[in-house]
Amino acid sequence: TQLLEQSPQFLSIQEGENLTVYCNSSSVFSSLQWYRQEPGEGPVLLVTVVTGGEVKKLKRLTFQFGDARKDSSLHITAAQPGDTGLYLCAGAPRTGNQFYFGTGTSLTVIP
Amino acid sequence: GAVVSQHPSRVICKSGTSVKIECRSLDFQATTMFWYRQFPKQSLMLMATSNEGSKATYEQGVEKDKFLINHASLTLSTLTVTSAHPEDSSFYICSARAGGPNSGNTIYFGEGSWLTVV
Repeated sequence: TQLLEQSPQFLSIQEGENLTVYCNSSSVFSSLQWYRQEPGEGPVLLVTVVTGGEVKKLKRLTFQFGDARKDSSLHITAAQPGDTGLYLCAGAPRTGNQFYFGTGTSLTVIP
Repeated sequence: GAVVSQHPSRVICKSGTSVKIECRSLDFQATTMFWYRQFPKQSLMLMATSNEGSKATYEQGVEKDKFLINHASLTLSTLTVTSAHPEDSSFYICSARAGGPNSGNTIYFGEGSWLTVV
């Protein structure tokens, strides 16, 4: 079961371009996390957003948590080839003990 | 920092045999552990959530008799793929939620295990 839908699923852009990845759900989450994963490795945590409407910045990455805590976005400014990877949102719904990942966005930044 | 160790990292088994994957929290107690399955260029699909000392909660569509999960202690959970078939070949990842009042419910991930069934 994947409660979190990400869009786009695949994204290929030129170096220097900006991009936004969306993570949407019909469920409310107490917090959402964003991860980046390299092939054959475990996901690496980028950020956790907790408060509805919260915006967090990590260098060229900007994360936003929706006011209703059902959605989130990741914006990358001036993408670089090193940003290439699989980006995943994830979180635990307010009810239940599970921890779900979004459907994933595979980003390729072309030099 | 907290580390979750997963073993083996790669395993090849014959069709019809069983294989066990271990997930250990090395320096913290994991009240909850999660098992995921991942196909190439796809996301992590939650298979089951296991709590120490109790039966695992399986996600819809996951066969509990085929994917046996045991969480016998606060530092170890195992996933056994029984009567493996080639379609079970995948990347399996475990994660552990740190317990305790000051843990912040942080989740730590293992390195993953590649299973190939031939």
